[in-house]
Amino acid sequence: EDKVVQSPLSLVVHEGDTVTLNCSYEVTNFRSLLWYKQEKKAPTFLFMLTSSGIEKKSGRLSSILDKKELFSILNITATQTGDSAVYLCAVANAGGTSYGKLTFGQGTILTVHP
Amino acid sequence: SAVISQKPSRDICQRGTSLTIQCQVDSQVTMMFWYRQQPGQSLTLIATANQGSEATYESGFVIDKFPISRPNLTFSTLTVSNMSPEDSSIYLCSVGVTSGETQYFGPGTRLLVL
Repeated sequence: EDKVVQSPLSLVVHEGDTVTLNCSYEVTNFRSLLWYKQEKKAPTFLFMLTSSGIEKKSGRLSSILDKKELFSILNITATQTGDSAVYLCAVANAGGTSYGKLTFGQGTILTVHP
Repeated sequence: SAVISQKPSRDICQRGTSLTIQCQVDSQVTMMFWYRQQPGQSLTLIATANQGSEATYESGFVIDKFPISRPNLTFSTLTVSNMSPEDSSIYLCSVGVTSGETQYFGPGTRLLVL
């Protein structure tokens, strides 16, 4: 069974801090790893990673994948109160009837204080 | 990215009744999925909505409880049947955009069953 584990489960920081969120996975037929930000109901897409060692960057957020060690990290620099949210990691399956299926981790609750 | 709408955005229902949730996309997409997010939990895949054929359900979810329709490449419905308080959740549809295979989520339906 596919499995995704995120750590830490929650994190409290002050504005300006840098945070690193972790995601490890076990999947039978890996296709890609995705990061989402969830503030209210709908997860908002951040990154999709398919290749090891290639950093993806968007403003203060960046992410990288290690397919040998089966993990990914999401970095947020110079955090702002607007970064407060649940960050979800998900792995997409490439195999057969599971094609495209996402398995989610538990999420990391990030709280940024002014 | 695709623009996805869901109706209703929220509802309060009595136990034993059924609710149908609609998901509309502004462009044709190959993959459509339905997820459930119970309070304090991460997202769990209910089923893959297949155009022109029966949905593919994940372990623990059955067609009698969660019938799904997908009459075309832009629209799908999920019905939550014979509801109980345990069905109180956020229900989300997601779509796979064929060009990038990233999944985007609809705004979600927050359901409370009394």
